[in-house]
Amino acid sequence: KAGVTQTPRYLIKTRGQQVTLSCSPISGHRSVSWYQQTPGQGLQFLFEYFSETQRNKGNFPGRFSGRQFSNSRSEMNVSTLELGDSALYLCASSLDRADTQYFGPGTRLTVL
Amino acid sequence: QQQVKQSPQSLIVQKGGISIINCAYENTAFDYFPWYQQFPGKGPALLIAIRPDVSEKKEGRFTISFNKSAKQFSLHIMDSQPGDSATYFCAARHLNDYKLSFGAGTTVTVRA
Repeated sequence: KAGVTQTPRYLIKTRGQQVTLSCSPISGHRSVSWYQQTPGQGLQFLFEYFSETQRNKGNFPGRFSGRQFSNSRSEMNVSTLELGDSALYLCASSLDRADTQYFGPGTRLTVL
Repeated sequence: QQQVKQSPQSLIVQKGGISIINCAYENTAFDYFPWYQQFPGKGPALLIAIRPDVSEKKEGRFTISFNKSAKQFSLHIMDSQPGDSATYFCAARHLNDYKLSFGAGTTVTVRA
C-alpha cells in the first residue's frame, strides 16, 4: 500500500505570496492532520480534517487554512507568507481519528 | 508551552550501547504514547507505541517503559547501531480530541 504522499516536496516563495500544499493519505484513511516542523518550535499541530470537516485546529493565525475533499485528499493554504513560515510542513493520515498517524515526507517551504 | 517534555536534546552512544530518551507529561487526559523516528529529509515514522495500562512494551531492540504515577515514559534502544542515528520524538495523544502533542526531539548519534 502506498504511503502518504505530499506535493510539492520543495517550494520557494517570497513574502506576501500565498501557497497551497497537497496531501494524499494512505488508501482507506479518512483522517488527515497537518503539522509544521521548525528547528526552534519542533512539531506543531496545525489542523485535522475528517469527513471533509475540520475537527481540530492548532494555535496558528487565520492565514493558515485547509480543506479535505471527498476522496480524503487534503490541501493546506498559507496566505500572505511571512519569513517565519519557512518550515517543513508534514501531513499525517490515519484510518480513523483515534488510530495511529502515519506521516508523509513533508513539503519544505522556504519564504524569501 | 510544551505539553510533553523530552530529554536529552541529543546523545552520543557507541555501537552496541544503550540509548535512553525520557519524556514527561502533566495532562492526565493523554491516553496513547507513540514514539516516532525521523531521518534527515524524511517524515517521522512510527517506531513503537504504548497505552497507560501497560508498564512496558518491547519490539525488537526498542523498549518503552511507562510510569503512570510519575507521568513519565522512556524509550530504550538496546544494542544501538549506526543505522539508529536519527531524531526521536515522543508524543502523547489527548483522549477527547485525539490531538498529538510532541516532545522537542532527541538527536541520537551512534558511533561505530
